[in-house]
Amino acid sequence: QQQVKQSPQSLIVQKGGISIINCAYENTAFDYFPWYQQFPGKGPALLIAIRPDVSEKKEGRFTISFNKSAKQFSLHIMDSQPGDSATYFCAASGSGTYKYIFGTGTRLKVLA
Amino acid sequence: KAGVTQTPRYLIKTRGQQVTLSCSPISGHRSVSWYQQTPGQGLQFLFEYFSETQRNKGNFPGRFSGRQFSNSRSEMNVSTLELGDSALYLCASSPQGGGTEAFFGQGTRLTVV
Repeated sequence: QQQVKQSPQSLIVQKGGISIINCAYENTAFDYFPWYQQFPGKGPALLIAIRPDVSEKKEGRFTISFNKSAKQFSLHIMDSQPGDSATYFCAASGSGTYKYIFGTGTRLKVLA
Repeated sequence: KAGVTQTPRYLIKTRGQQVTLSCSPISGHRSVSWYQQTPGQGLQFLFEYFSETQRNKGNFPGRFSGRQFSNSRSEMNVSTLELGDSALYLCASSPQGGGTEAFFGQGTRLTVV
C-alpha cells in the first residue's frame, strides 16, 4: 500500500515535443503529490505539486494531471527542451505519514 | 533564503568505520528527513525529525541513526559501515513534514571501500 509506481523508466523526446510521465499510488491517505527533477550530481529539486482537490495544475511548461478515482497522476512537459534532460521522480505523502514515498524515476532525454 | 546545506559533499570510508553526516535545513523549517539514494533501490526513506523528535523511521538496520538539535540542524550516523552503504544521502527540509513541500540538499556522496 505504500508503493508509488512510475512509468516509463526512460523516455526520449524530440525538442519541442511533449514528455509524459505517469505514476500510480495505492494509499488513499496520501494527500500531497510532488514531482522532482534531478540532474546528475545534484539533489532532487521540487518542480510542481498537487493536492487531490484539483484535477490539474499548471506552472509554465509543466502540468500535473490528477485522477483521484484511478489513483493516478502524471507530469506533462510541454515544448520539451534539451535542458529538461534529467531524471524525474514522482512522490506521494500524507500529512500524518511524515515521509515521502518516491517512484523509481524516469530518465528523460530531449534530443536537440 | 538559503537552501538546504549538507556537509560534507563527499566521503570515503573503510568498512567497519562509522560516519556522521550533517544537514542544515532552510531557516524556519522544523522538519528534516533523510533519504538514501542508490541506482538499484532509488530513494529510500531513512527517518524524519520534527522539533528534535523522531516521528517516523524507515526500514533500515539500527546502524543508521539520527538526531535533530534545537536549531533544527540534523545529523545522521552510520556505524560499522558496509560496502552496501555506499550511496547518496539526501536531507530534505520541510515546514511541517509529510504532506507539505520538501526541499532537498545536494546530498553527501558516501563511498565505502
